[in-house]
Amino acid sequence: GNSVTQMEGPVTLSEEAFLTINCTYTATGYPSLFWYVQYPGEGLQLLLKATKADDKGSNKGFEATYRKETTSFHLEKGSVQVSDSAVYFCALRFSGGYNKLIFGAGTRLAVHP
Amino acid sequence: EAEVAQSPRYKITEKSQAVAFWCDPISGHATLYWYRQILGQGPELLVQFQDESVVDDSQLPKDRFSAERLKGVDSTLKIQPAELGDSAMYLCASSFRDRGSYTFGSGTRLTVV
Repeated sequence: GNSVTQMEGPVTLSEEAFLTINCTYTATGYPSLFWYVQYPGEGLQLLLKATKADDKGSNKGFEATYRKETTSFHLEKGSVQVSDSAVYFCALRFSGGYNKLIFGAGTRLAVHP
Repeated sequence: EAEVAQSPRYKITEKSQAVAFWCDPISGHATLYWYRQILGQGPELLVQFQDESVVDDSQLPKDRFSAERLKGVDSTLKIQPAELGDSAMYLCASSFRDRGSYTFGSGTRLTVV
C-alpha cells in the first residue's frame, strides 16, 4: 500500500546548523508530496509541497525536492533557528477522486541556542 | 487569514462517557476531514466528507464513533462510549475541493481517564 517513512527523532541541533530530515515514500503512481509542521499544542501547518517529479518546494528557508528515482522528499534548511523547533511531518496524496493525505510518523526537531 | 475552528481545545472525560467535538471549516470548503493523532504518531484519517456526504470512513470505529455534517458546513464527531485508547488529538481539516492543500484546525486534545 501507500506509505511514508521518516527518519526517527528527535533531531537535536545547535542554532545555525544545517538540517536534513529524510523522507521516503511507497506509492503506486505519482503522488503529490508535502511537508507539514506542528508546533507544540497546535494543529498542522503546510510548510511546502511538490506535485511532480523534480519539483522543488520551498518556504521560510526550508526546501525539498521530489525525487522519483529514489522515492524521496528530504527536507533541508541551511541554518536553523530556535523557532524552528517543532515536529515535521512528511505526507503524500494522490490527485483525483477522494484521496486522503497519508502521513509519516513525524520527526521532532529541537534547536538549541 | 481564514481558519478552521475547533472546540473544545481540551477535553477530559471518564471512560464509558460520551464526548463530542465540533469543527467549523473555512467558508466555501466543500471537503472536511477528521483525523486522529495518537501521541508520537502521524495523523490518521477517520472520516472524510464531501459536502454533507461521507466519502471515506473506512478507518472510523463505527461501533463507538459517529460523525455528521448535516448542512454541509460544520461537523460533529462523537465517541460513545469513550475508551482509554481514545486519548489522542482530534484534528479537523478542510480543503476547497478534494485535492490541493488542507488547512488544519488547532485540534481537540482528548484525555480519557
